[in-house]
Amino acid sequence: SQQGEEDPQALSIQEGENATMNCSYKTSINNLQWYRQNSGRGLVHLILIRSNEREKHSGRLRVTLDTSKKSSSLLITASRAADTASYFCASPNRDDKIIFGKGTRLHILP
Amino acid sequence: NAGVTQTPKFQVLKTGQSMTLQCAQDMNHNSMYWYRQDPGMGLRLIYYSASEGTTDKGEVPNGYNVSRLNKREFSLRLESAAPSQTSVYFCASSEGDVLNGYTFGSGTRLTVV
Repeated sequence: SQQGEEDPQALSIQEGENATMNCSYKTSINNLQWYRQNSGRGLVHLILIRSNEREKHSGRLRVTLDTSKKSSSLLITASRAADTASYFCASPNRDDKIIFGKGTRLHILP
Repeated sequence: NAGVTQTPKFQVLKTGQSMTLQCAQDMNHNSMYWYRQDPGMGLRLIYYSASEGTTDKGEVPNGYNVSRLNKREFSLRLESAAPSQTSVYFCASSEGDVLNGYTFGSGTRLTVV
């Protein structure tokens, strides 16, 4: 019943570079959300994009949504060591319960 | 402002033992959720409560029971723990409208031996 699936599973980049993570989902959605999880902690809500939006910004985060391709991307610009975390996309299923993907593990190298 | 508080943070159980994981939120949210997170599996919904007095099964409810004690508290009970229930358990809450996303607790790491 997994709704979203992130790609890549893991990503290592140099500090200062941009990081892009992708999410594909299966069924029509009203919105798609991105969360961050630092090691050993709970998930933190980053940003939500509605189905009628194509792009949304929040600080160094940029999210795009392509409903025709059932995909979304999360771009983190000018990465920092503190961005090292796992990132999850999530979207509501038919019962309006949020289903999470398996996540992308991002590692920022000094 | 604590948000979502889970207790305990760590627990080791023997197979067959029972325990209750506690969760409380102070944001006056209507909906509360229990997830488990296993390596390579992402987060899977165990049970949820859309409002005080109601509970419903999620994706993986077998072996668990829940109680929505009041609007603030939502507990998860393992009646007879099994090694397959070794996992990290997260409680979350949200407004009925999920447009502001879920707020998560910091998790309970449970090991069943």
